[in-house]
Amino acid sequence: DAGVIQSPRHEVTEMGQEVTLRCKPISGHNSLFWYRQTMMRGLELLIYFNNNVPIDDSGMPEDRFSAKMPNASFSTLKIQPSEPRDSAVYFCASSLSRGAGTEAFFGQGTRLTVV
Amino acid sequence: AQTVTQSQPEMSVQEAETVTLSCTYDTSENNYYLFWYKQPPSRQMILVIRQEAYKQQNATENRFSVNFQKAAKSFSLKISDSQLGDTAMYFCAFMKRNAGNMLTFGGGTRLMVKP
Repeated sequence: DAGVIQSPRHEVTEMGQEVTLRCKPISGHNSLFWYRQTMMRGLELLIYFNNNVPIDDSGMPEDRFSAKMPNASFSTLKIQPSEPRDSAVYFCASSLSRGAGTEAFFGQGTRLTVV
Repeated sequence: AQTVTQSQPEMSVQEAETVTLSCTYDTSENNYYLFWYKQPPSRQMILVIRQEAYKQQNATENRFSVNFQKAAKSFSLKISDSQLGDTAMYFCAFMKRNAGNMLTFGGGTRLMVKP
């Protein structure tokens, strides 16, 4: 398996524009997570899906952020409108939640810069 | 809510020497998992080692071992025979059992291995 695949790797956009980040989890994994990494706040969980259903979105910072998982092999994180403070690295991770404590596999992240 | 604290923002070690990275956590849970992840300059998050809280024996993976002190809520990582490729950010992470495999991360320790 190619691992968790995120696209794009880098994104530069202007303030006010819509941004969509994409993630393909590892085949067979049934849990998917979106994390954000910033210097100020470190790594924080934004949202967690299990079997394509959002379970916990308490980490989503504002209504400008939305995430979807239309099927088991694809998820998106959308920011509309984007703001400079959204600049961060966004990670997608997946795991098989059949057993508790199973390892989360991370994608290589998308570095988002909002100017 | 859980919190994870890494009190050493930066550390350095000479190649072939041993270094210990500190991590403490706060939780009211009794069943949980602890992880150390490595993030090299490539940005990829890589699992280094995993510890189940119900196991008294400290986990070991080749040159990496942990000192898990449940009563003290301490989970330090020891890297023996440090190699240049160990240069990276290291994150300690907490996962509550039976709660969806979501991770709470510490702020990270930047480790530099010097030749």
